[in-house]
Amino acid sequence: GNSVTQMEGPVTLSEEAFLTINCTYTATGYPSLFWYVQYPGEGLQLLLKATKADDKGSNKGFEATYRKETTSFHLEKGSVQVSDSAVYFCALSDLLNNAGNMLTFGGGTRLMVKP
Amino acid sequence: KAGVTQTPRYLIKTRGQQVTLSCSPISGHRSVSWYQQTPGQGLQFLFEYFSETQRNKGNFPGRFSGRQFSNSRSEMNVSTLELGDSALYLCASSRATGMVYGELFFGEGSRLTVL
Repeated sequence: GNSVTQMEGPVTLSEEAFLTINCTYTATGYPSLFWYVQYPGEGLQLLLKATKADDKGSNKGFEATYRKETTSFHLEKGSVQVSDSAVYFCALSDLLNNAGNMLTFGGGTRLMVKP
Repeated sequence: KAGVTQTPRYLIKTRGQQVTLSCSPISGHRSVSWYQQTPGQGLQFLFEYFSETQRNKGNFPGRFSGRQFSNSRSEMNVSTLELGDSALYLCASSRATGMVYGELFFGEGSRLTVL
């Protein structure tokens, strides 16, 4: 079956520091990969996505590259802000059998950015 | 454009009772998915409805059920509540076409506490 593993948090950084959150996956088909973010008291929001190998998803300064050879989709940002403090979820979906909206999530990584 | 609306936001039930949660998707979105979020198990897929039909189902017991109406609004029901059903239940809607599979718009969730 499909699975997603991401680094456990919390990750605590100072403002303007470089961020990396690791994510690796196991999938039987050809998945699409996603990063979702959950701010305190809110539902999840799509941050970025990539649908095939070597695609780079980017949004709000965050980037992640779909690496099929290492089955990874690590999230990076060059300079974090206090407002980036949230829980980040890596996820995958497989288009086989119309399961494209059936997301498999990693456990989430809490990011805390200090001023 | 209104987002995904879930009601009620908070509820408390006792073991053995049943509960019904409601979700109104973004206008034009035909797919509605439900997820359970707990500290121990993380985010887990419950089921997806598309055009009033259940399209995918996660690994949950039959006590968990759902339905979708012709206006795409969805309800989920949990019968014979157990303590372990305490969780945040998230609804997500999607246009569910072509390249936007996996691009889910989440509501803020319904937090269920079972005593």
